[in-house]
Amino acid sequence: DQQVKQNSPSLSVQEGRISILNCDYTNSMFDYFLWYKKYPAEGPTFLISISSIKDKNEDGRFTVFLNKSAKHLSLHIVPSQPGDSAVYFCAASGNDYKLSFGAGTTVTVRA
Amino acid sequence: EAQVTQNPRYLITVTGKKLTVTCSQNMNHEYMSWYRQDPGLGLRQIYYSMNVEVTDKGDVPEGYKVSRKEKRNFPLILESPSPNQTSLYFCASSLGPALSYNEQFFGPGTRLTVL
Repeated sequence: DQQVKQNSPSLSVQEGRISILNCDYTNSMFDYFLWYKKYPAEGPTFLISISSIKDKNEDGRFTVFLNKSAKHLSLHIVPSQPGDSAVYFCAASGNDYKLSFGAGTTVTVRA
Repeated sequence: EAQVTQNPRYLITVTGKKLTVTCSQNMNHEYMSWYRQDPGLGLRQIYYSMNVEVTDKGDVPEGYKVSRKEKRNFPLILESPSPNQTSLYFCASSLGPALSYNEQFFGPGTRLTVL
């Protein structure tokens, strides 16, 4: 049973607009959350993370929001660029040294 | 260049023929991990290692073995591969466990097909 869920398999957005990716989790013991980006034929690369003691973390065009009460986090990309076209994975961990991933959302940025 | 390498990148084999996928990192990382990626399921952790000679099961360890005799290497062993182990495999490493702010660095992946 997947503890991290990304319910939107794909997202298409116009260049320059905002991309919003959503992620829900079920395990209340998760206290650290990450987003990874993956291009075809490459391994995932770390994008941004957030600890459960925060509700927002920003890094350039990327912002992650955490709503602990709703067990929900989101990744905002503003503005979206063609190079952002990739698969984005949400991941979460607790105190058991394991990392649980969602199924991924494929983002396509249209010119 | 800091990197995680995996070999082979592609492998087609037959049921029951033992195989090993190697993983090596040059960053002196303590924590290493193996994942498999399957459509609709994302990445699922197979095994992880906190340090030399310390390994533990992830979420889907059945049919796999690992060893950590040296800090830099973390091979994944399939003693008797079966078709349901056909998947894309990733090795990853980080300074510390996943729960810290030390993000994991992933290898390029190994595409395994078991006939």
